[in-house]
Amino acid sequence: DTEVTQTPKHLVMGMTNKKSLKCEQHMGHRAMYWYKQKAKKPPELMFVYSYEKLSINESVPSRFSPECPNSSLLNLHLHALQPEDSALYLCASSFDTGTGYGYTFGSGTRLTVV
Amino acid sequence: QKEVEQNSGPLSVPEGAIASLNCTYSDRGSQSFFWYRQYSGKSPELIMSIYSNGDKEDGRFTAQLNKASQYVSLLIRDSQPSDSATYLCAVNHGGATNKLIFGTGTLLAVQP
Repeated sequence: DTEVTQTPKHLVMGMTNKKSLKCEQHMGHRAMYWYKQKAKKPPELMFVYSYEKLSINESVPSRFSPECPNSSLLNLHLHALQPEDSALYLCASSFDTGTGYGYTFGSGTRLTVV
Repeated sequence: QKEVEQNSGPLSVPEGAIASLNCTYSDRGSQSFFWYRQYSGKSPELIMSIYSNGDKEDGRFTAQLNKASQYVSLLIRDSQPSDSATYLCAVNHGGATNKLIFGTGTLLAVQP
C-alpha cells in the first residue's frame, strides 16, 4: 500500500459547525503532515507529527486542532472556521523526519466554509 | 526575499521539446530538494528528488542541483501534453524535522 487516504474529499461547513478531516497511511511512515493550499498558491505547512507527537505547529489558529491517535492516522478537527479558511487541505507522510525523505500526499479535502 | 522562488509561467513548449524549469532557494543550509507535479485540482505528486550537486536522471526527467549557486532545475525531455501541470520545487532546510518549503510553482503548457 503506497497511498495516503484522505476523507472526505469535499466538505461544506457553516461557521458554527464542528467537523473533522481524516488521513490514513499504511506505509509504516513515522512522520505525518497537514498542509493548506489556496488556489494558485503553494502548499503551506500547518502541523508536523513525528512518531505520533506534535513537533511543529506553524502558528495555526486554535480553530484547527490536530490529533494523531496512532501511527497510521491523523485527524484535523475544525471548529468555528471562517470563510477565508476555505482551501484544499492536504495530508502527507514521509518515512521519517530526516531531511532526505520526500512526502507522499493524499488526494486532499476541498473545504468550503459558508 | 522568498525562501524558494520559481517563475510562475506559463511556460509553453511544443510537444516533443525539452521543458526547462528553474528554482532558486535562499537558505545555504538546505540539504534536500524535490520536484512535485500538480495537476489542476489534484494533490502534488513527487517526481524527482536530488541531494548532491550534479544531475540525476529518471526516464524523461533530469534534475540538476548547484548548491554554490543555490539553484535547482528540472528538465523534461520529449514533452507530452500530459506533462501540462504546475511543477512545484520544494526544499528541505535541514535540522531535525523534515519541513518542506514549496515554491509558488511553474505552470507548464505543452502544445500538441
